[in-house]
Amino acid sequence: GDSVTQMEGPVTLSEEAFLTINCTYTATGYPSLFWYVQYPGEGLQLLLKATKADDKGSNKGFEATYRKETTSFHLEKGSVQVSDSAVYFCALAYTGTASKLTFGTGTRLQVTL
Amino acid sequence: SQTIHQWPATLVQPVGSPLSLECTVEGTSNPNLYWYRQAAGRGLQLLFYSVGIGQISSEVPQNLSASRPQDRQFILSSKKLLLSDSGFYLCAWSPGDRVSYEQYFGPGTRLTVT
Repeated sequence: GDSVTQMEGPVTLSEEAFLTINCTYTATGYPSLFWYVQYPGEGLQLLLKATKADDKGSNKGFEATYRKETTSFHLEKGSVQVSDSAVYFCALAYTGTASKLTFGTGTRLQVTL
Repeated sequence: SQTIHQWPATLVQPVGSPLSLECTVEGTSNPNLYWYRQAAGRGLQLLFYSVGIGQISSEVPQNLSASRPQDRQFILSSKKLLLSDSGFYLCAWSPGDRVSYEQYFGPGTRLTVT
């Protein structure tokens, strides 16, 4: 079956550092890929998405490129802020009657001053 | 605009007691609805999804059940809670009238079974 693998956390960075959170997937077809973010005590918010190979999703300074050849969708940000501290989830989904998401286990990011 | 509500926000229940969590969506019709559970230190697991009133699909065998009595209402229930039912329960919706890959999540309910 389909699956998503994320790097283990927590990731601790100083403010203004460069962020990479790795995500790889296993899929039988051609899914869309997502990054969701969960701030403490809240539900998930969609951060960015890419629907086909070589697409780049971007939002709030975060970027991720759909790499079919490496089955990856790594999340990057050039300069993190304390307010970026959260748990980040990589996910995939197929079009269909219901777009069921398959999530990775999440990576906790802690940004310090 | 669309909004999704969940209640209660937090809940502490003894083992063996019943459970009812409610989720409602406003501002859209015929949404797809989902229940997820996030156990401590783990990722999200899809429990149930629904594409219409009375239509429920279960993703994993468990102590829980779901119902959709109205178009924009999704209920998660249990007759007898287990300790392992503790976790953070998230409801989500996606548009049902067009192809969409995105899901929109509610604020969640934190359930502690003691």
